[in-house]
Amino acid sequence: DAKTTQPPSMDCAEGRAANLPCNHSTISGNEYVYWYRQIHSQGPQYIIHGLKNNETNEMASLIITEDRKSSTLILPHATLRDTAVYYCIVNGAGGTSYGKLTFGQGTILTVHP
Amino acid sequence: DGGITQSPKYLFRKEGQNVTLSCEQNLNHDAMYWYRQDPGQGLRLIYYSQIVNDFQKGDIAEGYSVSREKKESFPLTVTSAQKNPTAFYLCASSITGTTEAFFGQGTRLTVV
Repeated sequence: DAKTTQPPSMDCAEGRAANLPCNHSTISGNEYVYWYRQIHSQGPQYIIHGLKNNETNEMASLIITEDRKSSTLILPHATLRDTAVYYCIVNGAGGTSYGKLTFGQGTILTVHP
Repeated sequence: DGGITQSPKYLFRKEGQNVTLSCEQNLNHDAMYWYRQDPGQGLRLIYYSQIVNDFQKGDIAEGYSVSREKKESFPLTVTSAQKNPTAFYLCASSITGTTEAFFGQGTRLTVV
């Protein structure tokens, strides 16, 4: 399975940008990078995904390096409600992780006032 | 409302009893998943199904069983063979195995 590596925890001040890194050096050509977050005791919530190009939606931006071996999720103006566990996963047709949707340990992001 | 529903939210069982957790979705999704989460830990995949009448073991399938007789339903049975069944169980679905997944609110199972 394509593996991802994330820092176990990060802090961010409210109103500042939160930049969450993820390494996925074994990613296959057809595999996408997905980001989810989980607020305590709830089911994870989809945030964004991308293949090669940078992506932006109303929640976040996703920056993928040219070699696709790493990516960064950016929350442009973090709020206290963004405090959660953020998961980076790799999934896609043709890769070893096809359909398996495997989550790692994620990054605990704490946004403080 | 479209969505994915897990029931019940809290479940208590005596040790040695089998228990079945319900997961229903009306999103017309082909793929469904079951995860287990222990306190302070990430999600671990138990079973997943890409299509009706077919499913595959995930990373921690021992002591669990599933069925996928209908597209909208993917029940998980925690058997007496599961050594540490107390956990938070999450069900998810996606259009296919490669698209974003939608999660239920989870069932917290406590075995005493």
